Amino acid sequence: LAKTTQPISMDSYEGQEVNITCSHNNIATNDYITWYQQFPSQGPRFIIQGYKTKVTNEVASLFIPADRKSSTLSLPRVSLSDTAVYYCLVGDGNQAGTALIFGKGTTLSVSS
Amino acid sequence: SAVISQKPSRDICQRGTSLTIQCQVDSQVTMMFWYRQQPGQSLTLIATANQGSEATYESGFVIDKFPISRPNLTFSTLTVSNMSPEDSSIYLCSVLLHDRVGGYTFGSGTRLTVV
Repeated sequence: LAKTTQPISMDSYEGQEVNITCSHNNIATNDYITWYQQFPSQGPRFIIQGYKTKVTNEVASLFIPADRKSSTLSLPRVSLSDTAVYYCLVGDGNQAGTALIFGKGTTLSVSS
Repeated sequence: SAVISQKPSRDICQRGTSLTIQCQVDSQVTMMFWYRQQPGQSLTLIATANQGSEATYESGFVIDKFPISRPNLTFSTLTVSNMSPEDSSIYLCSVLLHDRVGGYTFGSGTRLTVV
């Protein structure tokens, strides 16, 4: 499983765009990049998944350069409710059925 | 998406006792996973539980301490045995749904405090 590196913490203000970058230099050809969000006292929640280029959904965008050795989760116009821990995971998606292995995650704090 | 119910949501237990955590899913799933999240830390995989086979434990976790049952495709239990204060953590179950992107869904967790 590819190891991921992401900042331990980030601070932002309401209304700003937040970009969290994750490094995964040893990503394998069949690996996907997946981001989860965890609020206090809750289990992690799926945000977005991608393989290459750009993926966008109603919550976030995921940018993946051509070499796929890093990825950036972009949260547009954050609010106080986006304060959470964000985890970047790399693996073969949900096909092989292997468990998710979590790194340390990035604690995002949004202030007013 | 699947709904996962974990019980209890929290408990305070005496050292030396055992607690069984239940995980109920509203649809049939092949794979279930149990995690531990110590205070202020990330999630650590305890074991993978497939129906009809013995659970597979990760390094540092043993069946005698964390016995797991998986009697059918919608239910699993994790027991934390002979507890010590070091077992104080949040325990989460997770299931894998192959028919959706991302696929992994988590319960809300059981917050265990051992005194």
